[in-house]
Amino acid sequence: AQTVTQSQPEMSVQEAETVTLSCTYDTSENNYYLFWYKQPPSRQMILVIRQEAYKQQNATENRFSVNFQKAAKSFSLKISDSQLGDTAMYFCAFLRDDKIIFGKGTRLHILP
Amino acid sequence: DTGVSQDPRHKITKRGQNVTFRCDPISEHNRLYWYRQTLGQGPEFLTYFQNEAQLEKSRLLSDRFSAERPKGSFSTLEIQRTEQGDSAMYLCASSLVALQETQYFGPGTRLLVL
Repeated sequence: AQTVTQSQPEMSVQEAETVTLSCTYDTSENNYYLFWYKQPPSRQMILVIRQEAYKQQNATENRFSVNFQKAAKSFSLKISDSQLGDTAMYFCAFLRDDKIIFGKGTRLHILP
Repeated sequence: DTGVSQDPRHKITKRGQNVTFRCDPISEHNRLYWYRQTLGQGPEFLTYFQNEAQLEKSRLLSDRFSAERPKGSFSTLEIQRTEQGDSAMYLCASSLVALQETQYFGPGTRLLVL
């Protein structure tokens, strides 16, 4: 079975701080895509960052970066200089056979 | 707005009634996906289309559920004889075949079955 585990159901950090969201996954495939999606309250799912498993270099998108450890099947998201607009549910996910498999999410609160 | 749109955004129905949701994908996208998200969970895959062909259905999609994409553009998801356990957010996403890893999500339809 392919699963995605997010061990932190909820987190809170002060504005401007750095926060890291954890994710582990399980797959027997060698090549796959990993994602972090953001779902703000009452708003739609947005792709934050994407990582291709065959690429060793960690993906970055502005204040968002990942730490991809393929052997450990770990894919954490770091948000630097956090902003109030980062408050949302964050889902770790991976793609296989055209389907996205999501974790249960981490609810992130950015405090003023 | 050229993103994925879904209608209605909210639906309240009584148990046993039939409901139908619509999804309009991004215009050039030939793949369309349906996911279901229950409270406190991540979305779960239901089914997807490439053009008008339904390529895969999850075992989550019971016989009461049917999805269509008749002209390869918009899609409908119908639930017959709704049950309280059907209460969830139904999400639609679309992508290009060549860029299947990038799925764009709509705002969802939130269903409440009383």
